[in-house]
Amino acid sequence: EDKVVQSPLSLVVHEGDTVTLNCSYEVTNFRSLLWYKQEKKAPTFLFMLTSSGIEKKSGRLSSILDKKELFSILNITATQTGDSAVYLCAAGLQGAQKLVFGQGTRLTINP
Amino acid sequence: NAGVTQTPKFQVLKTGQSMTLQCAQDMNHNSMYWYRQDPGMGLRLIYYSASEGTTDKGEVPNGYNVSRLNKREFSLRLESAAPSQTSVYFCASLRDSTQPQHFGDGTRLSIL
Repeated sequence: EDKVVQSPLSLVVHEGDTVTLNCSYEVTNFRSLLWYKQEKKAPTFLFMLTSSGIEKKSGRLSSILDKKELFSILNITATQTGDSAVYLCAAGLQGAQKLVFGQGTRLTINP
Repeated sequence: NAGVTQTPKFQVLKTGQSMTLQCAQDMNHNSMYWYRQDPGMGLRLIYYSASEGTTDKGEVPNGYNVSRLNKREFSLRLESAAPSQTSVYFCASLRDSTQPQHFGDGTRLSIL
């Protein structure tokens, strides 16, 4: 059975802290690992990773994939209250490009 | 561009009623997907359509049917709603394997 597990499930930090969110996966026909941010409504895309060891960066956010150990991390530096959201990790499968999601990490940034 | 549009945004049904959730995308994407999101469980795939004219079951298809009406539209039907189908439903579309899926804003469905 395809499975994606995120940790921690919930995290509360102070503004300015750095956080690391974890995602491990066990799926057949793996193609890519995706990170989404979900506030009130639609998940919005952050990163898509297909190669091991290559960091992707966007401002204060960065992510990396380890295809040997089957995990990915999402780092957020100098956190702001606007970073408060649920962060979703998903494994993309070959073929029809189905996504298998983890449970999500609820991140709360306190001022 | 509107992206992925879902209607309605909210709906309350009684057990046994039927309902169709609508989804349309204006990005000329080939593939479309229906997910449900329940507390603490992430998103789970209900049905998907890899291309116009094809549909396939996902992880949790029981109690649902779908129609890929044309390239733009993909509807989800509950024939006889049950309280276990209370959830937030998301539609997504995808151009190709090099791109991420794009999501609509969701339909919050409550079944009493």
